[in-house]
Amino acid sequence: NAGVTQTPKFRVLKTGQSMTLLCAQDMNHEYMYWYRQDPGMGLRLIHYSVGEGTTAKGEVPDGYNVSRLKKQNFLLGLESAAPSQTSVYFCASSIRLVRQFFGPGTRLTVL
Amino acid sequence: EDQVTQSPEALRLQEGESSSLNCSYTVSGLRGLFWYRQDPGKGPEFLFTLYSAGEEKEKERLKATLTKKESFLHITAPKPEDSATYLCAVRDTGNQFYFGTGTSLTVIP
Repeated sequence: NAGVTQTPKFRVLKTGQSMTLLCAQDMNHEYMYWYRQDPGMGLRLIHYSVGEGTTAKGEVPDGYNVSRLKKQNFLLGLESAAPSQTSVYFCASSIRLVRQFFGPGTRLTVL
Repeated sequence: EDQVTQSPEALRLQEGESSSLNCSYTVSGLRGLFWYRQDPGKGPEFLFTLYSAGEEKEKERLKATLTKKESFLHITAPKPEDSATYLCAVRDTGNQFYFGTGTSLTVIP
């Protein structure tokens, strides 16, 4: 089992550009999450999904959109990137709203 | 507003020197308190879940405890491989997860 994988590992964007981060899990988990981690701020929940076709907002959803078209995939989109979105993004999955399995992270820089 | 505060921010221990990390929280209806370990450049790795005051969980040199307002992660006779950042998180009744900023632990041989 690969667990939770994230694509890409690194990305540099210019302000205003768009991109999509892909998260995939092979554990048949119902729940998936997107977090961002910034120095001094800790991990903050952006959006989460409780199943295929359903999504919900987390603590910091503005500027991001998500989609869960397949149970194993959770996509995070930035329509118009801003320097404030420079961060490390982590995806996670879980069977229920308990123990989460995290991916290796995507380091995003917005210039 | 839900909040998680961890202390200290950083901790340096000699190998074998036991200590405790603190996680204090305010949350609208605790639905679980979680401890994770995070190594540099990697995603967090699950350690423990606690649900009610008085509950304790143990794994090797680590022991987590929970009261109504805080949790402690006790590290007994730590080894250099225990060096990492330890994160605390809570889940509230709205299914939101809130993480603290972590304690960076360094264990010196």
